[in-house]
Amino acid sequence: DIQMTQSPSSLSAFVGDRVSLSCRASQSIGGFLNWYQQKPGEAPKLLIFDGSRLQSGVPLRFSGSGYGTDFTLTISSLQPEDFATYFCQQSYNSPTTFGQGTKVEFK
Amino acid sequence: QVQLQESGPGLVKPSETLSLTCTVSGGSISSDYWNWIRQAPGKGLEWIGYIYDRGYPNYFPSLKSRLTVSLDTSKNQFSLKLTSVDAADTAVYYCARGLRGGGVFDSWGQGILVTVSS
Repeated sequence: DIQMTQSPSSLSAFVGDRVSLSCRASQSIGGFLNWYQQKPGEAPKLLIFDGSRLQSGVPLRFSGSGYGTDFTLTISSLQPEDFATYFCQQSYNSPTTFGQGTKVEFK
Repeated sequence: QVQLQESGPGLVKPSETLSLTCTVSGGSISSDYWNWIRQAPGKGLEWIGYIYDRGYPNYFPSLKSRLTVSLDTSKNQFSLKLTSVDAADTAVYYCARGLRGGGVFDSWGQGILVTVSS
């Protein structure tokens, strides 16, 4: 199985900050990388698919980049509703696997 | 906008069978990939398996011997059965639609907590 490693496991930031979250795959996955946001008590929400494609309805402050083994989710200006846990997921092959998550908290 | 809703018992005894159903509304279940994903308390996400059309399930390898995912197109539902459960199967279970070959989960149910305990 492909292992997905996210860093950092948590970070603290202010509203308005630019934040970048990292995700690394144990082998090349091309561009088959997706990002999800999860708030406490809620289901995950798809933000980015295929590495950099913004899901319909997701604010433009979210962007994804990367290819191969290294990927980044960037939030250009953190908003109060963005404090949540973010998961990456590879859809390159089966079984699909997720990273352990990065929790974004208030500083 | 497709919507999904999980249903089933919230408590299952060890060694028994966990059975859940996902009801899909706002779209047909006769296409796309229909997935089960779980999240143990305080942990990350684990994909369990999917069904694509009636004859094409795909399961997480370590669960394959205990798992059945099936589709009921007449009711627009799909189901999960996990046999011989133990405490490690305690989790919130989500159903989700998979697009783009099944691996992009664009619509999710709200999740149902299933506790394995005597």
